This record gives sequence, C-alpha cells and structure tokens, in this order.
Amino acid sequence: DAGVTQSPTHLIKTRGQQVTLRCSPKSGHDTVSWYQQALGQGPQFIFQYYEEEERQRGNFPDRFSGHQFPNYSSELNVNALLLGDSALYLCASSFNRRRSDDGYTFGSGTRLTVV
Amino acid sequence: AQTVTQSQPEMSVQEAETVTLSCTYDTSESDYYLFWYKQPPSRQMILVIRQEAYKQQNATENRFSVNFQKAAKSFSLKISDSQLGDAAMYFCAYRSPNYGGSQGNLIFGKGTKLSVKP
Repeated sequence: DAGVTQSPTHLIKTRGQQVTLRCSPKSGHDTVSWYQQALGQGPQFIFQYYEEEERQRGNFPDRFSGHQFPNYSSELNVNALLLGDSALYLCASSFNRRRSDDGYTFGSGTRLTVV
Repeated sequence: AQTVTQSQPEMSVQEAETVTLSCTYDTSESDYYLFWYKQPPSRQMILVIRQEAYKQQNATENRFSVNFQKAAKSFSLKISDSQLGDAAMYFCAYRSPNYGGSQGNLIFGKGTKLSVKP
C-alpha cells in the first residue's frame, strides 16, 4: 500500500521563476493538504483540496496556487519565487468523512531552494 | 485563532530513561483533536499518538503516552524506555473537527528536538 509520494525531492530555482510540486495521496485517500515548513519551524498550512476544489486556505499570498486532479493527486504552484519561499513543502493526504480522528499521512516533502 | 506552543526547543534523555515533552494550546472550541508527530532526518512526519478532546482517557501507544489536561489546555508526551531511534524533532499539533466539505487543518507548534544519549 503506497504512502504519500512527492516529487521532486529537491529543487533549486532562481528568484522570479515559477515552480510546480507534485503529490500523489495514499491509496484510499481523497483529500490533499499542503504545508510549508521553514527551517527550524513547524509546518504551516497552505491550502487543502477535496473534490478538485480548494476547500481551505491558510495565510499565503495568491502566488501560491494549486490543483487537484480526478485521481486525487495534486499540484502546488508558486509564481514569482522569493528567497523567503525556500522551505520544505509537505503534502498530507486523508480521507474526508464527517467525523475522523485520523491524523494525516505525510509525504517526505520537496526541499525548495530559491537562489 | 488556535495556537500551539512548545516551550522546550531541545530536550535530552539517556537511553532507557523516560522523558516528557510539553505542549500547550489555546482554543475556544470544545471539540478538537490533538496529535504528536515525529520528524526524523528523513523529513517525513510520522504520527506518534492522537487524542480526541471528548475522550477523558489519556491515549497510549506502546512506549508513548500523553497527559491530556483539557481545562489547562495542556497535552504532554511521555516517552518511556527511550531508544536511540526516538531521536528526532517532535511536533505537537491541533486540529479542529471536520465541517462541510473540509477537514480541519493541522496547526503545529515549533517543535522540540529530542536527543537520546547511549
């Protein structure tokens, strides 16, 4: 049973460029959330996708956008990269049901470095 | 808005000893979930233990247990018989209940780095 898969594992981009990160959820999961983890900090919520729609969004600018596909996989896009966007980007998947005490299943993340 | 505070940036424990990691949170909700996650150098967040706020009994998973004090908004993690493989960053996290078509997002503390000495 495959867990959450993220690609690529590492990425180096130049300021002003655009980047796309990818995530395949755990088998059976239908909801994907993205988190940004700066060095030495806890992860911060970016947004959540369910049924191909953005359902929740954290305090991130519009430069951060996403998409969910019919197979539940998801992409995170960041435009006009800033040095401050350098971080570990974590994808977490879950199964959306009314009452759930399930912790999310996380991938190993994509380490983005902006130079 | 909910917040999670971990006041111990670093902790150290001797192998086979017991260590307790602290976490406090602030919320006006009565129903919620609390989690402890472990993040080793491999970067993947691994769920250690979970607690539902409406359950009074403290959760236990093998060597890991929590002390959940709802009135005090405290959620500490106790690791018994510490092993070298327990060395990692530990994050406390809060999650609101699901509503509508959304699942409550996780709110993390800043983490505690646990070192285990042989």
